[in-house]
Amino acid sequence: NAGVTQTPKFRILKIGQSMTLQCTQDMNHNYMYWYRQDPGMGLKLIYYSVGAGITDKGEVPNGYNVSRSTTEDFPLRLELAAPSQTSVYFCASRSGHPNTGELFFGEGSRLTVL
Amino acid sequence: AQSVTQLGSHVSVSEGALVLLRCNYSSSVPPYLFWYVQYPNQGLQLLLKYTSAATLVKGINGFEAEFKKSETSFHLTKPSAHMSDAAEYFCAVIFQGGKLIFGQGTELSVKP
Repeated sequence: NAGVTQTPKFRILKIGQSMTLQCTQDMNHNYMYWYRQDPGMGLKLIYYSVGAGITDKGEVPNGYNVSRSTTEDFPLRLELAAPSQTSVYFCASRSGHPNTGELFFGEGSRLTVL
Repeated sequence: AQSVTQLGSHVSVSEGALVLLRCNYSSSVPPYLFWYVQYPNQGLQLLLKYTSAATLVKGINGFEAEFKKSETSFHLTKPSAHMSDAAEYFCAVIFQGGKLIFGQGTELSVKP
């Protein structure tokens, strides 16, 4: 059981380049999330999805896009990379059952924009 | 607006002293609440969760938290701090509609 898989683990981008962070989970979870973590700022929610075909903005969506065409996959797209997007990105998923709700995290993707 | 606030970005206690980390949320509807811990260079680990059963929740490593609806709080406590408790602690809340937001984190230092 792989859980939540994120790729790539590390990436260096030049300003203005685009890229996609991939996230896939094999637990049949309805809820999926993308967060960025910056020192002293905690985890900020970028986008989330409550099921295939449904996405919604989080706290810091500007500069990012997502899609959820299947239950398993939730890619995060950076269209025009900026230095402010240098961060560690985490994908997470959870069951919708109210008595669980625990997040399962990917290992993180460290992105540097130069 | 939906928000999660952790009072104090850094908390320092002596070994053996009480640990109190504060978390408040903004919601008129009782949400689901969690505390996570992150050790240096590691991922987040679930400490405990409140899911509308008992208001006093016990977690791992001797931590517990009490849900107080009237104060919209979910503070984390541990009676006696240990050196190994030094880490960053995050409160997290699931709001209506499934949005899951974290507080900004509190770094706990434990002095010998």
